[in-house]
Amino acid sequence: NAGVMQNPRHLVRRRGQEARLRCSPMKGHSHVYWYRQLPEEGLKFMVYLQKENIIDESGMPKERFSAEFPKEGPSILRIQQVVRGDSAAYFCASSTTGEPQHFGDGTRLSIL
Amino acid sequence: LAKTTQPISMDSYEGQEVNITCSHNNIATNDYITWYQQFPSQGPRFIIQGYKTKVTNEVASLFIPADRKSSTLSLPRVSLSDTAVYYCLVGDLPYGGATNKLIFGTGTLLAVQP
Repeated sequence: NAGVMQNPRHLVRRRGQEARLRCSPMKGHSHVYWYRQLPEEGLKFMVYLQKENIIDESGMPKERFSAEFPKEGPSILRIQQVVRGDSAAYFCASSTTGEPQHFGDGTRLSIL
Repeated sequence: LAKTTQPISMDSYEGQEVNITCSHNNIATNDYITWYQQFPSQGPRFIIQGYKTKVTNEVASLFIPADRKSSTLSLPRVSLSDTAVYYCLVGDLPYGGATNKLIFGTGTLLAVQP
């Protein structure tokens, strides 16, 4: 049973470009979470989604960031017009009811 | 969500038992205690979860006193590969499952030396 798969593992973008981060949850998991980790810090919650629905986006910046989890396909975290401060590791986790969240190994986003 | 306090770092040697204590003075009745482990360049990995007394699995033990204001993660006979950051988290339902966003602190960096 494959774990949570994130791609790409590393992504380099120039300021002003768009970044798209993908997450395929574990088989049978319908809950997906996105977290962001800055260097030397703990993970910070961004958004929680179930299939086709955003449940909690209290940690998402108000502008430029969006997330989706379509009926078919992976969850996507999209960052428009990236800035240097968006450089971080972005982790996706998935879970099913009553079970702990399982994390992918993240996408490291670097902004030039 | 209850705030947690844990040491920033700890040192140990291979073969020793390591105990990492976490304080959570404001823990609520419905809160569970969960520990995650994170290696460099990897996502956090669930270690153990408990509500009271003692929980043991193949990786670690979790000791929770009666007042539940603290908890101790115990790693038996650590090896070099146990060098990682360990996070203590507290929340309800049990914590970290579906519908619960996780609140991470800065964790404890455990360094195991030969």
